[in-house]
Amino acid sequence: GNSVTQMEGPVTLSEEAFLTINCTYTATGYPSLFWYVQYPGEGLQLLLKATKADDKGSNKGFEATYRKETTSFHLEKGSVQVSDSAVYFCALGNRDDKIIFGKGTRLHILP
Amino acid sequence: DTAVSQTPKYLVTQMGNDKSIKCEQNLGHDTMYWYKQDSKKFLKIMFSYNNKELIINETVPNRFSPKSPDKAHLNLHINSLELGDSAVYFCASSHGQGVHEQYFGPGTRLTVT
Repeated sequence: GNSVTQMEGPVTLSEEAFLTINCTYTATGYPSLFWYVQYPGEGLQLLLKATKADDKGSNKGFEATYRKETTSFHLEKGSVQVSDSAVYFCALGNRDDKIIFGKGTRLHILP
Repeated sequence: DTAVSQTPKYLVTQMGNDKSIKCEQNLGHDTMYWYKQDSKKFLKIMFSYNNKELIINETVPNRFSPKSPDKAHLNLHINSLELGDSAVYFCASSHGQGVHEQYFGPGTRLTVT
């Protein structure tokens, strides 16, 4: 069945550091891939998505590239801010099926 | 305008009680969901409705009963609450399943004492 594995947290970085949160997946067919972000006390919101191999999703300085050959969708940001502190979820979705979420990675950014 | 709203935001109750959480979306979506998030932030889907019809029912105790009076509303009723039901419950909606973005409500924090 479909599954998503993302790196366990918490991840703690200093402001302006480079961020990578790893995500790999197992899926049948050609799924869409997502990164959702959950800020403290809020619901999840879509950060970025990619719908086919080699697509790059980007938003708010974050990027992730759909790599079919390595079944990965790693999240990156060149210079993180304190306001990026949140929990990040990698997710996978196939048409007419439920979205599968990873376990979430908590990110702490120190000023 | 709030896209997906839930009430109440906080719910504190005793074991054995029955409680309901309400969810409404004004996005015109046809699919709605209930998720449970535990203290470690693990998110588990419970139910999904499409146009008022139940399409996903994960292995959830039958003390949990969802009801969708119309496609803009999805309520969750919980009977005989247990300590292990303490969690944050999120409602979400989307245009169809799988490949579509889901919009989440702000969550309802349920504490069972």
